[in-house]
Amino acid sequence: KQEVTQIPAALSVPEGENLVLNCSFTDSAIYNLQWFRQDPGKGLTSLLLIQSSQREQTSGRLNASLDKSSGRSTLYIAASQPGDSATYLCAVRPRYNNDMRFGAGTRLTVKP
Amino acid sequence: DAGVTQSPTHLIKTRGQHVTLRCSPISGHKSVSWYQQVLGQGPQFIFQYYEKEERGRGNFPDRFSARQFPNYSSELNVNALLLGDSALYLCASSLGGAGANVLTFGAGSRLTVL
Repeated sequence: KQEVTQIPAALSVPEGENLVLNCSFTDSAIYNLQWFRQDPGKGLTSLLLIQSSQREQTSGRLNASLDKSSGRSTLYIAASQPGDSATYLCAVRPRYNNDMRFGAGTRLTVKP
Repeated sequence: DAGVTQSPTHLIKTRGQHVTLRCSPISGHKSVSWYQQVLGQGPQFIFQYYEKEERGRGNFPDRFSARQFPNYSSELNVNALLLGDSALYLCASSLGGAGANVLTFGAGSRLTVL
């Protein structure tokens, strides 16, 4: 059974700092891995999607990497801003359906 | 273009009651999935429907059921509500049913069971 773990559970940083969020999964037979952002009480906003054949994806100040063989992904946020404060979730996807397995998330606070 | 829309946004029920949640996918999307997110946890997969057929089911009791209509909208029904059913229920749509298709999530329906 696929288990997804995110460390740390919470993180507080000063504005402008670069930071890394970690995601690990137990079964490397994934189709893709996706990082989401969730603001309090809201739905999920997709940030980056990495296919199993890819090593990384970049969007603006965000960079996500994937090491399928070791079961790890990282989300790098450069020059953090207070508006980046949210919970960040990673999820892995099987090939044939939408049974995505999510981690519990990392709650990020960026202080002005 | 409208994204994934869910209704109602908030609702309060008492134990033992029944609830119906609704989801309209993005135009052209034929797959709808339902997730339950309990406070402090990541979402958990409940159901996927594609072309009106059930494509996947998570580890939820039979009190949970769903269906997809010819216009691809979907309903999630929960019977005999328990306190533990209190959660944010998220709907996601995609073009197809397989892993290559990116999911777009709605804002969710927040259910409180008293």
